[in-house]
Amino acid sequence: SNELTQPLSVSVALGQTATITCGGSNFGTKNVHWYQQKPGQAPVLVIYKNINRPSGIPERFSGSTSGNTATLTISRAQAGDEADYYCHLWDISTGVFGTGTKVTVL
Amino acid sequence: QITLKESGPTLVKPTQTLTLTCTFSGFSLSTSGVGVGWIRQPPGKALEWLSLIYWDDDKRYSPSLKSRLTITKDTSKNLVVLTMTNLDPVDTATYYCAHRRNIVEAFDYWGQGTLVTVSS
Repeated sequence: SNELTQPLSVSVALGQTATITCGGSNFGTKNVHWYQQKPGQAPVLVIYKNINRPSGIPERFSGSTSGNTATLTISRAQAGDEADYYCHLWDISTGVFGTGTKVTVL
Repeated sequence: QITLKESGPTLVKPTQTLTLTCTFSGFSLSTSGVGVGWIRQPPGKALEWLSLIYWDDDKRYSPSLKSRLTITKDTSKNLVVLTMTNLDPVDTATYYCAHRRNIVEAFDYWGQGTLVTVSS
């Protein structure tokens, strides 16, 4: 089964770019999704099917994949982007979440 | 407008069975391609996917918890129920239900979550 590994933490200066990776062993044709979770709140979908942004998510959030690694990029980071971020995919119809990354905006 | 809300006990004793209800509005679980899932998060830890039920009553479970979980739906009442047997303190977590559509694949709407503590 797929285990999704993320860096524990990422720091980014205000206005700069943050990159969060999600690594697995066998992505194949599986799509990766990304969620943002702020303290005490439910997760919010920010990227689905690798590259797509739901309505209302700023263009500063973008996703990409290459081989067995998916990447969430936050451009022009703002204080409000400080949160935990989780990747997610479906592996033979079972859900798998990543280990989570705490993003700190300096 | 899609909304979901979890309900159930806040405190459960070890070995007991937990029953959680997800009540939703703004969509029908009889619509093709729609599903409702359950995800939990122990305090300070990562999200963990538990189960998913589809519009056609197809059901999926986390392999590690499959023997303890049962998911059902009541389409007429717009609710989904998750039961988990033989609770242990490690099952202490916030439990979320969430909406899924095949065209999106991801969980695009989430409930606020409900904290369940397992303790004697």
